[in-house]
Amino acid sequence: QQQVKQSPQSLIVQKGGISIINCAYENTAFDYFPWYQQFPGKGPALLIAIRPDVSEKKEGRFTISFNKSAKQFSLHIMDSQPGDSATYFCAASGDTNAGKSTFGDGTTLTVKP
Amino acid sequence: DGGITQSPKYLFRKEGQNVTLSCEQNLNHDAMYWYRQDPGQGLRLIYYSQIVNDFQKGDIAEGYSVSREKKESFPLTVTSAQKNPTAFYLCASTPRGRDTGELFFGEGSRLTVL
Repeated sequence: QQQVKQSPQSLIVQKGGISIINCAYENTAFDYFPWYQQFPGKGPALLIAIRPDVSEKKEGRFTISFNKSAKQFSLHIMDSQPGDSATYFCAASGDTNAGKSTFGDGTTLTVKP
Repeated sequence: DGGITQSPKYLFRKEGQNVTLSCEQNLNHDAMYWYRQDPGQGLRLIYYSQIVNDFQKGDIAEGYSVSREKKESFPLTVTSAQKNPTAFYLCASTPRGRDTGELFFGEGSRLTVL
């Protein structure tokens, strides 16, 4: 049973537009929600993360919105750039052991110039 | 520079052969992990280790084995028992404790079975 559902599977956005990727989780014990960015042939790297004590976190052009009651969180990329083209994974964990994170299936973002 | 080094980057294997993927980290992290990535799927946990000489099975451990004899090293062996071994394998590490949940990943090893 998949515990983190991510959508859409792929996304095409024009340069300067807003990219929005959504994730929903089931386990209410999760309390750490990171987003990872992965370029082709590379390992994922942490982009931004949030804990459920806040509803929003912003770092530059990247924002996480978190809705605890709905068990949903989303990544917004403002002023999307071609260099943002990558695969984005949401994840969730609730242990002190971060490696037991549950990952979404990923969203392939293409930003057209 | 601190980080995680995986080798080889590309590996080809004939059916029935065991192969070992290397993972070395100089971040002084206690915990290390192996993930498998298939196209269109998220990362699935194979094995993880929180301390030297101890490791636990993840969600898809069948057909894989690991060892953790040194803090810096966590090699993964893909055995002939693994039915569908062609995949991208990622090693990761993290400090133990609740203060950080960030996983630090290597650049991956792509295994192809011929």
